[in-house]
Parts: sequence; structure tokens; C-alpha cells
Amino acid sequence: SQQGEEDPQALSIQEGENATMNCSYKTSINNLQWYRQNSGRGLVHLILIRSNEREKHSGRLRVTLDTSKKSSSLLITASRAADTASYFCATGSNDYKLSFGAGTTVTVRA
Amino acid sequence: EPEVTQTPSHQVTQMGQEVILRCVPISNHLYFYWYRQILGQKVEFLVSFYNNEISEKSEIFDDQFSVERPDGSNFTLKIRSTKLEDSAMYFCASSPPVSGNTIYFGEGSWLTVV
Repeated sequence: SQQGEEDPQALSIQEGENATMNCSYKTSINNLQWYRQNSGRGLVHLILIRSNEREKHSGRLRVTLDTSKKSSSLLITASRAADTASYFCATGSNDYKLSFGAGTTVTVRA
Repeated sequence: EPEVTQTPSHQVTQMGQEVILRCVPISNHLYFYWYRQILGQKVEFLVSFYNNEISEKSEIFDDQFSVERPDGSNFTLKIRSTKLEDSAMYFCASSPPVSGNTIYFGEGSWLTVV
């Protein structure tokens, strides 16, 4: 399986701090996508990084990808209470489907 | 911004009943998917659909499940005879016709089987 596995499972930080979570996977990928899910809601796409890319930025988000280590990280800078959610990495292959990890639950304390 | 829409948002059904979950993918997308998430668990791939046929399906997607694109806009998931373990959030998703593109998800349909 090429499923991503996130680490840590849960993270609690103070508003304004940075949050970093990691994702590891097992087999070759075409791309890796990060999603956010608020409790009981849908999956919101955050960022996609392709296998030939090493780093991408989107607003307060920074994603890195190390294909040699089969790992990715998501950094949220200057966190806000609204960032409280579960974050999932999902690996994509050439067959178009995504394999999701178990997610990291982030709680941002005001 | 275009989005994937799903109905119903929540459905309660009795065990053994048939359920149809409906989705309207983003209009210029050609790949469609169903995923599910049992409460507290990972999001799991069920099926992908392209060019009016299933392109891939998981072990979960057994004979009780079927998908259909009845017209140019809707994409449906049918569960023929629901079981208690089918209780989950079902997500529809779609993506443009290029490998490695973003897959966009809908808000989901909560299915509770009692």
C-alpha cells in the first residue's frame, strides 16, 4: 500500500505558533495532496505537490516533499483558531485515486 | 468557485433498504470518485469512474454497490441492501482529465443505517 501516514496523531498549539505535521508513504507516487477536514465536514483541498517538486507555498502553508525518504511535511505558520481541524495527506499515483493517511488533529488554543 | 455538490447531506435508513446518494461533479471534470469515511477512521477509496465506466474499484466496492452517470451532470452511488457497517460519510469527488491533478471533494453525505 502507498498510504500516507501522518505524524503526530494530534497536535495542540497556541494561536500564533507554527504547526508542523509529517506524512510518510511506502511506494512511488505521482503527487501528494494535503486536505483539511473540519469536524463532520467535507475535505478541503489545501495544496498539491508533484513528485518532481521539493517545496510549495500557499499563503500560510508550506509543503515539502522528499521522495528519497518518502515523506512530506505541512507547515502552517502563525496559526489561528480557525486552523483547528484534521489534516490529511493523500498520495496519488497514475491511476488517479488517492490513498489517505489517518490524519493529524490540530487544536489551536486562543 | 466551482464545487462538487452532494445530496442528501444526511440520510437515515433501515438495514436492508436501498440507498442512492447523489452528486454533481464540477462541470468540466471527467474523472469521478466515491470515497467513504467511517466515523473516526481513514478516508477510503471506493471507486473511480471515467468515460461512463468504472476504471478502478476497491475491495469494499462489492456487488452491493453500483455507480451510474444517468445524465450529463449527476453521478450516483447506489447501495442495494444496506448493512449496519455501511454507516459512514460518503464523499463524491471529481478531477480534471489530466493525471496528477487536484481531486476536489464534496461536503459528503452522512449515511446512518439502523
